[in-house]
Amino acid sequence: AQRVTQPEKLLSVFKGAPVELKCNYSYSGSPELFWYVQYSRQRLQLLLRHISRESIKGFTADLNKGETSFHLKKPFAQEEDSAMYYCALEGANTDKLIFGTGTRLQVFP
Amino acid sequence: EAGVAQSPRYKIIEKRQSVAFWCNPISGHATLYWYQQILGQGPKLLIQFQNNGVVDDSQLPKDRFSAERLKGVDSTLKIQPAKLEDSAVYLCASSLEIRDSFGTIYFGEGSWLTVV
Repeated sequence: AQRVTQPEKLLSVFKGAPVELKCNYSYSGSPELFWYVQYSRQRLQLLLRHISRESIKGFTADLNKGETSFHLKKPFAQEEDSAMYYCALEGANTDKLIFGTGTRLQVFP
Repeated sequence: EAGVAQSPRYKIIEKRQSVAFWCNPISGHATLYWYQQILGQGPKLLIQFQNNGVVDDSQLPKDRFSAERLKGVDSTLKIQPAKLEDSAVYLCASSLEIRDSFGTIYFGEGSWLTVV
């Protein structure tokens, strides 16, 4: 079964601390993995995708097929990073996104 | 570029009543999605349209939910009769028809439904 697991509902850190939001997936093929973010009072939006191997707003995520993980990392958290983060999976030959339950990141000053 | 538009933003109804949500996707986007997001959960796909045809409605509770996209642009999602467990945010999203590894899905602000 296709599944995305985000084990932490809430992650609280102080400004400048490193951040790692965990994401594990279950999929019997080669999925595409994404991180979506929802800032307060804003719509859900794409943060980054594994295929692009890009860094957005200082965030990076590496796909680890052996551990079936796609953790989101940032070396130095900023207050403006406070938001809800969703990991999502898209199977091959489909546009269907399967989301995890989300992790709320709180960055304190 | 205008984003995905949804209305109404908020709706409170009694159980067994009906409700309809409207979505206008980004211009030129052939693919339209309706997601349901229950409090504390991630969005779950209800139905996906490609132009005016249904691509995936496997998770749509067809006994009470219906959706249409008659002219391949706007879409309406209807719930009749509503149950308490239908309380959720209903998200509309759209994407370009040509999906490649750089395709992006754009979400609307959502329609918040409370069933009492």
